Amino acid sequence: SQQGEEDPQALSIQEGENATMNCSYKTSINNLQWYRQNSGRGLVHLILIRSNEREKHSGRLRVTLDTSKKSSSLLITASRAADTASYFCATATIQGAQKLVFGQGTRLTINP
Amino acid sequence: NAGVMQNPRHLVRRRGQEARLRCSPMKGHSHVYWYRQLPEEGLKFMVYLQKENIIDESGMPKERFSAEFPKEGPSILRIQQVVRGDSAAYFCASSPRHREASSGNTIYFGEGSWLTVV
Repeated sequence: SQQGEEDPQALSIQEGENATMNCSYKTSINNLQWYRQNSGRGLVHLILIRSNEREKHSGRLRVTLDTSKKSSSLLITASRAADTASYFCATATIQGAQKLVFGQGTRLTINP
Repeated sequence: NAGVMQNPRHLVRRRGQEARLRCSPMKGHSHVYWYRQLPEEGLKFMVYLQKENIIDESGMPKERFSAEFPKEGPSILRIQQVVRGDSAAYFCASSPRHREASSGNTIYFGEGSWLTVV
């Protein structure tokens, strides 16, 4: 079964607003990563959070991880039109550290 | 430092033909991964290779699909006798030595090869 599941599947907000995407997973993980994918393009790595970390920041991105609830969230603050993309969470287990399991993704649309 | 290079970027094949997708990992990376992305879905792991070795092929379909990473040259994902259901984006990724990879280092994705079977 799919490990990561993003919520919501699609999100449309106005430029300047904050966007929050959630990811749930089923098994114990070594780390969780968030990726961005523009339409027809490859994946761009955004941020990695390890299982012993609770929160991580990178520029306008803030990621949280709650291993007790097996969930993570990605917050994009002060959104821009260029943030329009699909966002995927991906988990890696200790046994298969680089065998990432991706969720279905959240399609984020930033309206100018 | 060039990233992961995949070619072709777009490939059209008729049903029954063969598709060959190539991937050159980042310089210094010895681990290659192939993922498939069906329309409107996330990526799904197919196979993990090191030079001349298949480490994990648990995501590979049992028939028609094969992958290799020879001592010299790019990694190849080969799909024989393609069917419409093979239409997808195929992504290659690479990472450095396993010891570094297992510490949680990022793997780096190519731009993908979009296969359309008509």
